[in-house]
Amino acid sequence: DAKTTQPPSMDCAEGRAANLPCNHSTISGNEYVYWYRQIHSQGPQYIIHGLKNNETNEMASLIITEDRKSSTLILPHATLRDTAVYYCIVSRMDSSYKLIFGSGTRLLVRP
Amino acid sequence: DAGVTQSPTHLIKTRGQQVTLRCSPISGHKSVSWYQQVLGQGPQFIFQYYEKEERGRGNFPDRFSARQFPNYSSELNVNALLLGDSALYLCASSYLTGVSTEAFFGQGTRLTVV
Repeated sequence: DAKTTQPPSMDCAEGRAANLPCNHSTISGNEYVYWYRQIHSQGPQYIIHGLKNNETNEMASLIITEDRKSSTLILPHATLRDTAVYYCIVSRMDSSYKLIFGSGTRLLVRP
Repeated sequence: DAGVTQSPTHLIKTRGQQVTLRCSPISGHKSVSWYQQVLGQGPQFIFQYYEKEERGRGNFPDRFSARQFPNYSSELNVNALLLGDSALYLCASSYLTGVSTEAFFGQGTRLTVV
């Protein structure tokens, strides 16, 4: 079973920030938080991952709480192309090939 | 550089038949994983191969098997197909370096069993 809990759906306006929450209260010290997204009928796409520090790349920012029990993926300026299902996954570094996907959050970006 | 490529993209089979799906990883990636995604659900892990050896197996029946070749490409075989095997089959490759790494997914093979 997935170790994460995400809201089933969210929406935001185009151009605004999209903040996607994830709860992972049972995360272990050696587990990373990964975020992937899946645009309709395509394979999942890696977005970002982190251990305990906040991370930022060209796609998004990842904010992990100090106790590591939850995190937030931030898309700073959402576009219509960001409409997708977003998956939050926790995984050990040596098991990063074996991703346990939950149901994810379906993000709808509105024009 | 080419991404992960899977073939065929679509396939229709009859119950009881056998199917072989193929995956070519990103150049330099030695790890290939297979996932099954039933409509409306997240992908489910089936197998992982690294350096031609099976390193992980999900909760799937023995009808599912896989192998990895010396060039790191991989095949997934499913025997005695059931209607419930209809799904999107995804292949992911990664470059295991001992530090955290991401998986790169192909576009998948959509299998329909009738």
